[in-house]
Amino acid sequence: DAGVIQSPRHEVTEMGQEVTLRCKPISGHDYLFWYRQTMMRGLELLIYFNNNVPIDDSGMPEDRFSAKMPNASFSTLKIQPSEPRDSAVYFCASSLAPDSYEQYFGPGTRLTVT
Amino acid sequence: AQSVTQLGSHVSVSEGALVLLRCNYSSSVPPYLFWYVQYPNQGLQLLLKYTSAATLVKGINGFEAEFKKSETSFHLTKPSAHMSDAAEYFCAFRKTGGYNKLIFGAGTRLAVHP
Repeated sequence: DAGVIQSPRHEVTEMGQEVTLRCKPISGHDYLFWYRQTMMRGLELLIYFNNNVPIDDSGMPEDRFSAKMPNASFSTLKIQPSEPRDSAVYFCASSLAPDSYEQYFGPGTRLTVT
Repeated sequence: AQSVTQLGSHVSVSEGALVLLRCNYSSSVPPYLFWYVQYPNQGLQLLLKYTSAATLVKGINGFEAEFKKSETSFHLTKPSAHMSDAAEYFCAFRKTGGYNKLIFGAGTRLAVHP
């Protein structure tokens, strides 16, 4: 298995632009998670899906952030408009349900907003 | 509130020395606990997990952790550090309540010097 795939690996954009991060989970995994990692705040869970349905989006910082999972093999995290404080590494992870709580992480997308 | 605390944001050991990374949890019910490792510019990788079976858990790369309910701890150890162990280590706690959601500690950066 190729593991969790994220694209792009690096994104540099200007403040005010729309940013879309993409994730392909491991085939057969029912849960998908989006995390953000920064030096100041560590690893934060933004949102997670179960069977393509958002279950908990309490970690989404504000309305500028949105996430979708149109099918079992694809998810997006969108920031519109982006701000410099959104600069971080964004990770996607997936896991099986219901007995396994191991999450498999993708390599991350390093976002820089100038 | 359910939480996990990692003591020491940076740990430095000599190659061949014992590695001890500390993690304490706060929960009124037996938790599921995990240790993840993050190498530079990579996503997190599961090292080991505790899911209410054996209290001494063995993981990959020679790491192990012991669940001690009386101390509410789940410290990670390795008898002999290798240069390749230099990375950031995260303790994680599965939040109870029917949710497949992990709460991560702040992380401990391990440095191994010759």
